[in-house]
Amino acid sequence: DAGITQSPRHKVTETGTPVTLRCHQTENHRYMYWYRQDPGHGLRLIHYSYGVKDTDKGEVSDGYSVSRSKTEDFLLTLESATSSQTSVYFCAITRDYLSTDTQYFGPGTRLTVL
Amino acid sequence: KQEVTQIPAALSVPEGENLVLNCSFTDSAIYNLQWFRQDPGKGLTSLLLIQSSQREQTSGRLNASLDKSSGRSTLYIAASQPGDSATYLCAVGVYNQGGKLIFGQGTELSVKP
Repeated sequence: DAGITQSPRHKVTETGTPVTLRCHQTENHRYMYWYRQDPGHGLRLIHYSYGVKDTDKGEVSDGYSVSRSKTEDFLLTLESATSSQTSVYFCAITRDYLSTDTQYFGPGTRLTVL
Repeated sequence: KQEVTQIPAALSVPEGENLVLNCSFTDSAIYNLQWFRQDPGKGLTSLLLIQSSQREQTSGRLNASLDKSSGRSTLYIAASQPGDSATYLCAVGVYNQGGKLIFGQGTELSVKP
């Protein structure tokens, strides 16, 4: 199994509070991704990173920001959490764009915004 | 806009049956297609990856095919077992947004003993 961990694994928070989710990898892979999974929508890309300090938006990026100061860590921040951000968040990594490798997924973080 | 559809949404079969899961996509400009398995409350486990230049991949009892021209892929599971019960997700890799994956909504498979 690829070495990907996510923290926290579960979090309950209140509307309007900031929340930061962490993805940590031990594979030294260049690309990292944040997806969210919702019933009826499947998994959708929030943000991705193609190197240290190199990040870009995905299809559902509103209300989220990311940072990557080290190869191994990719942080997802909800600046002011809303109930619509209640979801399961998955981090994924891959060696390189268009590589023959799959994207390896972390175990997920279940976030509930009350 | 690329869209991925999986049919059926749910499937229940008796143990030992061979079965086929279907995936269709609207844009043939993909660099690969992947099948994942997801158990309840868990992350995604990669099953098979087919590069855009390939037609099929096999791993044990699993065989996945890809027909880019028709925008279709199938996942064939031979001699199904109760341990195969899970949600199966199809995803296509696209050339924009960092090579992101676009997922179907999955087929929930139940294999009855």
